[in-house]
Amino acid sequence: AQTVTQSQPEMSVQEAETVTLSCTYDTSESNYYLFWYKQPPSRQMILVIRQEAYKQQNATENRFSVNFQKAAKSFSLKISDSQLGDTAMYFCAFMKGTSGTYKYIFGTGTRLKVLA
Amino acid sequence: DTAVSQTPKYLVTQMGNDKSIKCEQNLGHDTMYWYKQDSKKFLKIMFSYNNKELIINETVPNRFSPKSPDKAHLNLHINSLELGDSAVYFCASSPDSKYEQYFGPGTRLTVT
Repeated sequence: AQTVTQSQPEMSVQEAETVTLSCTYDTSESNYYLFWYKQPPSRQMILVIRQEAYKQQNATENRFSVNFQKAAKSFSLKISDSQLGDTAMYFCAFMKGTSGTYKYIFGTGTRLKVLA
Repeated sequence: DTAVSQTPKYLVTQMGNDKSIKCEQNLGHDTMYWYKQDSKKFLKIMFSYNNKELIINETVPNRFSPKSPDKAHLNLHINSLELGDSAVYFCASSPDSKYEQYFGPGTRLTVT
């Protein structure tokens, strides 16, 4: 069965610094999708970034970028120039399935606190 | 212009009651989902519907019954509520089941 592991339950970072959240996953499939979601205290789930496994180029979205290592099954999230509003739970998600049956498998989350 | 909405946002009820949570999306998406987030923040899929047809049904007690009257709505009805049903329930939608999902604000259900 596919699993997603986030080994850092909690992290903190000073405002304006850079932090990296780790995620590893286990799968025997070659084509899949990976996502990072952010859940602030408001509990709204917000998509941060998405990566297709067939793409070698790492995805970036403004201050957010990923380091996707397919062979190592690693998908870490780097947040540059951290802001107070980045304080949230961050979930890594793996999407698997066949046509019409795709579903997310979420990691257990990393609670990130940005310190002023 | 809310994309995915859920009602109610908070629900407090007693054991044994029956309750429903409603979800609506105005994104024109074909696929909708229900997730449960437990007290440890772990998110797990419960159901997915594609064009009103049940696609995914994880191992969920049959006290939980999703209903999709049309592709913009996916409601969740829970019978005989138990203490362990206390959680945050999220509705989500996607344009196709293989694309990123857009989540509603969640419904915090507390069973006393």
